[in-house]
Amino acid sequence: QKEVEQDPGPLSVPEGAIVSLNCTYSNSAFQYFMWYRQYSRKGPELLMYTYSSGNKEDGRFTAQVDKSSKYISLFIRDSQPSDSATYLCAIGETSGSRLTFGEGTQLTVNP
Amino acid sequence: DTAVSQTPKYLVTQMGNDKSIKCEQNLGHDTMYWYKQDSKKFLKIMFSYNNKELIINETVPNRFSPKSPDKAHLNLHINSLELGDSAVYFCASSPTGGNSPLHFGNGTRLTVT
Repeated sequence: QKEVEQDPGPLSVPEGAIVSLNCTYSNSAFQYFMWYRQYSRKGPELLMYTYSSGNKEDGRFTAQVDKSSKYISLFIRDSQPSDSATYLCAIGETSGSRLTFGEGTQLTVNP
Repeated sequence: DTAVSQTPKYLVTQMGNDKSIKCEQNLGHDTMYWYKQDSKKFLKIMFSYNNKELIINETVPNRFSPKSPDKAHLNLHINSLELGDSAVYFCASSPTGGNSPLHFGNGTRLTVT
């Protein structure tokens, strides 16, 4: 079993839709949760970073963490064609020195 | 100014050759990493250096040898390249180890023929 599971998609939605991206993890030691966005032929860039259960909002993006269920989500409201990218979840341990990445979900927002 | 820069951007070479990828960061970070991303977009850590000291060395063939001349630079040398080494290699940095967010370069796309 992978430590972090993420549906690779692809996911295709119309412009304006609400997008939900999800990851599950198996290790209770994971305490830090990040979402990265990766455009084609570019490096991943940090979108959201949180370490507590609950919601964190930044503009059209909301990161949600449920530690009891070992489940994290990223919601994108009013999705735009410019949101078309691969979204990667990344999770880290409290005392560790590495992040474990999900496979990434490829998202296409159609105008 | 590019925060994490890698060279070259593309690398096409034949099996058996030796090649190097260079990485530099101007963010003042202490920790640098090499990640490998396969064709399915799966990112896997290879190495991590903190202030020139190797702290993570995943199960990577010993044909891969990282070198950090100073904390702003981390290079990756690959000997006897194989077809399976074809991937995108990303350099990243963070202010400390642990769970600080990573800043990635734009990758080196390696193709071994």
